[in-house]
Amino acid sequence: GAVVSQHPSRVICKSGTSVKIECRSLDFQATTMFWYRQFPKQSLMLMATSNEGSKATYEQGVEKDKFLINHASLTLSTLTVTSAHPEDSSFYICSAQREFYEQYFGPGTRLTVT
Amino acid sequence: RKEVEQDPGPFNVPEGATVAFNCTYSNSASQSFFWYRQDCRKEPKLLMSVYSSGNEDGRFTAQLNRASQYISLLIRDSKLSDSATYLCVVNPNTGNQFYFGTGTSLTVIP
Repeated sequence: GAVVSQHPSRVICKSGTSVKIECRSLDFQATTMFWYRQFPKQSLMLMATSNEGSKATYEQGVEKDKFLINHASLTLSTLTVTSAHPEDSSFYICSAQREFYEQYFGPGTRLTVT
Repeated sequence: RKEVEQDPGPFNVPEGATVAFNCTYSNSASQSFFWYRQDCRKEPKLLMSVYSSGNEDGRFTAQLNRASQYISLLIRDSKLSDSATYLCVVNPNTGNQFYFGTGTSLTVIP
């Protein structure tokens, strides 16, 4: 159990466009999901905490108007990167929290902005 | 001081060796601890939750030392497939915050 999916797994877009990434918990309900970004050879960086039915909590330095998060149901959270720029190119990973604070990660989305 | 600190390594060990990683945390009130493994260009996968009494899963043993504020991961009889980065994760139980270590890189050599 504890499967989390992410879609798409890889996306290439042009600068200035928006990209939506979906994160789904397939076999459990998650009131809390997290969005991370990871640059090559660096550790995960938490971007925001997404709570079902309420506004996301963003980490310091993360622009909420640029990274729009919606957690509309107990199994789905979306991250939209608006007006993407090359510096937004990264590996975006979501996780869903299950009981006892265990987090299960999606397979990640590799975003390349040209 | 960082919330969670790990020795980044790299640890290069021969197949069959025993290797141990430590991870220190700064918040003494922390209650939940985890070890994750992350392969290159993949997502982290939960390896073990760390319980107060310690826990074992096959070749892997995790322990918690509250007095010294660290958790450990012991891998016995290392396999080539154990090569990965091992992440220590701590939840200080102040809401839904998690703190990740920077990871310890392990390479098991044939």
